[in-house]
Amino acid sequence: GNSVTQMEGPVTLSEEAFLTINCTYTATGYPSLFWYVQYPGEGLQLLLKATKADDKGSNKGFEATYRKETTSFHLEKGSVQVSDSAVYFCALLGSNNNDMRFGAGTRLTVKP
Amino acid sequence: DTGVSQNPRHKITKRGQNVTFRCDPISEHNRLYWYRQTLGQGPEFLTYFQNEAQLEKSRLLSDRFSAERPKGSFSTLEIQRTEQGDSAMYLCASSPGLGTAAYGYTFGSGTRLTVV
Repeated sequence: GNSVTQMEGPVTLSEEAFLTINCTYTATGYPSLFWYVQYPGEGLQLLLKATKADDKGSNKGFEATYRKETTSFHLEKGSVQVSDSAVYFCALLGSNNNDMRFGAGTRLTVKP
Repeated sequence: DTGVSQNPRHKITKRGQNVTFRCDPISEHNRLYWYRQTLGQGPEFLTYFQNEAQLEKSRLLSDRFSAERPKGSFSTLEIQRTEQGDSAMYLCASSPGLGTAAYGYTFGSGTRLTVV
């Protein structure tokens, strides 16, 4: 079945450092891929998405490119801020649109 | 529209009691989903509705779990005879149906259940 494997955390970076959180997936057909962010005590917020191969999703300085050849959707940001500290989830939505699958999440802490 | 609303935000209950959570989705969304999230894990799919029809419920964790969406608007998730292992965050999400692949799911803030 469909699944997502995410880089284990926690990740601790200094402000303005470069961020990469790896995400790979297993799926049949042509899934859509998402990154969600969860701040303490809150629900998940959609960060960015890509619906087909080679699409690049971007938002708030974060980017991820849908790579079908490597079945990956790695999250990157060139210069992180303290306010980016949160848990990041990679997610996959299969072609049936009925069951979004999530990775285990990666906790990011950015220190001033 | 204020997004997906879940109530209560927190619930503490004694083992063996029944609990019910409510979710109000975005009004123009016809799909509604329930997930469970335990500490340090990603959300785990439980069930979903299209309008009032529950189209997938095989992933509900046991027969103690049930969900309804009687008029295709708000939904309730009930857990009967709660156990300590039911302690988790219960998340609700909604999506616009045909536009789901493009827009993803919109999540509520969740209900945190603690069974003592």
